[in-house]
Amino acid sequence: GQNIDQPTEMTATEGAIVQINCTYQTSGFNGLFWYQQHAGEAPTFLSYNVLDGLEEKGRFSSFLSRSKGYSYLLLKELQMKDSASYLCAVGGGGADGLTFGKGTHLIIQP
Amino acid sequence: EPEVTQTPSHQVTQMGQEVILRCVPISNHLYFYWYRQILGQKVEFLVSFYNNEISEKSEIFDDQFSVERPDGSNFTLKIRSTKLEDSAMYFCASSRLARDTQYFGPGTRLTVL
Repeated sequence: GQNIDQPTEMTATEGAIVQINCTYQTSGFNGLFWYQQHAGEAPTFLSYNVLDGLEEKGRFSSFLSRSKGYSYLLLKELQMKDSASYLCAVGGGGADGLTFGKGTHLIIQP
Repeated sequence: EPEVTQTPSHQVTQMGQEVILRCVPISNHLYFYWYRQILGQKVEFLVSFYNNEISEKSEIFDDQFSVERPDGSNFTLKIRSTKLEDSAMYFCASSRLARDTQYFGPGTRLTVL
């Protein structure tokens, strides 16, 4: 089975940096995904890690440590529009479907 | 930029009725998925579909659910006899290859009364 943990809610200030952590326990692993979801909308793909290390994409970076079952999403130069839920999802073993965490609701304050 | 589309955006039905939710995946994608998200809860995998057959399904995807690719573009989810607890947002997703990035459609909000 799969178990994914991430904080329920975080608050940060516009212009600052925030790190959202995700830990997972899985029976198999073939990649970790981060999605952004605004209320009432679909998840939007942000990043994908399958090997250990940091992947950088503009203001967003994602890190993976497979031995620790740990990932984080780093958001820099926060903007008000970054207020959303951030979903950590794992693809496991031979399975096609993603297992999602409950999401971290990020609140950006001026 | 190509995207996944879904219709209708909102469906209201009576308990026990059948509903069909429709999706048009990204045109060069080979793998198709359905997920659901009950209000306030996490996104849950239902089923994946490849080469005109189910590739994987979760324990949520019981006998009341079925999927079909009736033509070269549409991908449908049928719920045979809806229950109150089927009320949720249903997302279709597609990926070019297996275990590749999945791109989600805007969702269909299903309300069962």
